[in-house]
Amino acid sequence: GQQLNQSPQSMFIQEGEDVSMNCTSSSIFNTWLWYKQDPGEGPVLLIALYKAGELTSNGRLTAQFGITRKDSFLNISASIPSDVGIYFCAGRGNTGNQFYFGTGTSLTVIP
Amino acid sequence: SQTIHQWPATLVQPVGSPLSLECTVEGTSNPNLYWYRQAAGRGLQLLFYSVGIGQISSEVPQNLSASRPQDRQFILSSKKLLLSDSGFYLCARQREGRNEQFFGPGTRLTVL
Repeated sequence: GQQLNQSPQSMFIQEGEDVSMNCTSSSIFNTWLWYKQDPGEGPVLLIALYKAGELTSNGRLTAQFGITRKDSFLNISASIPSDVGIYFCAGRGNTGNQFYFGTGTSLTVIP
Repeated sequence: SQTIHQWPATLVQPVGSPLSLECTVEGTSNPNLYWYRQAAGRGLQLLFYSVGIGQISSEVPQNLSASRPQDRQFILSSKKLLLSDSGFYLCARQREGRNEQFFGPGTRLTVL
């Protein structure tokens, strides 16, 4: 199945720094989702985006639905140690029942 | 609330043995349900999805199968496990009326 290109693959940052990651697709999506996964647990939905250009926040997290509908961005401001984990993007098009996932961004926050 | 249960949480099985993983959901009717496999904590591979009882779509040819005997029950099975079947298996449901997907806690399978 289709896989989304997510970058960067991993990030090592100091506590308090801001984080940016993005996801691109070769297909147009009408929904973009961002998840966080802690070790040994299922991914947890952070933000859902439904409109091109939409900018949505959830606390220190902000995500945007790209204008081309082929990309999305996630920003984390003022990172803290509990932000550590793997972040996944996911998208869904107009047809079919599948959700397509990115390869993940592993975030490490150094206190 | 709409809750997803997965059983068992962890499993260690010998090569060639059968497998049955169970996923049950609460608080919703006729949900779209999904099985994913995740290797080494990265990348979710869609295995099967179901839009209703007895309706299964397979994404990847393999020695696994899925069944949906009841509206809120989704089962992943194998007759003979391979070493390559090891991984973290996640069940997910689609939120009713929305393009959002929620995951269960997962089952860690180790095939020896």
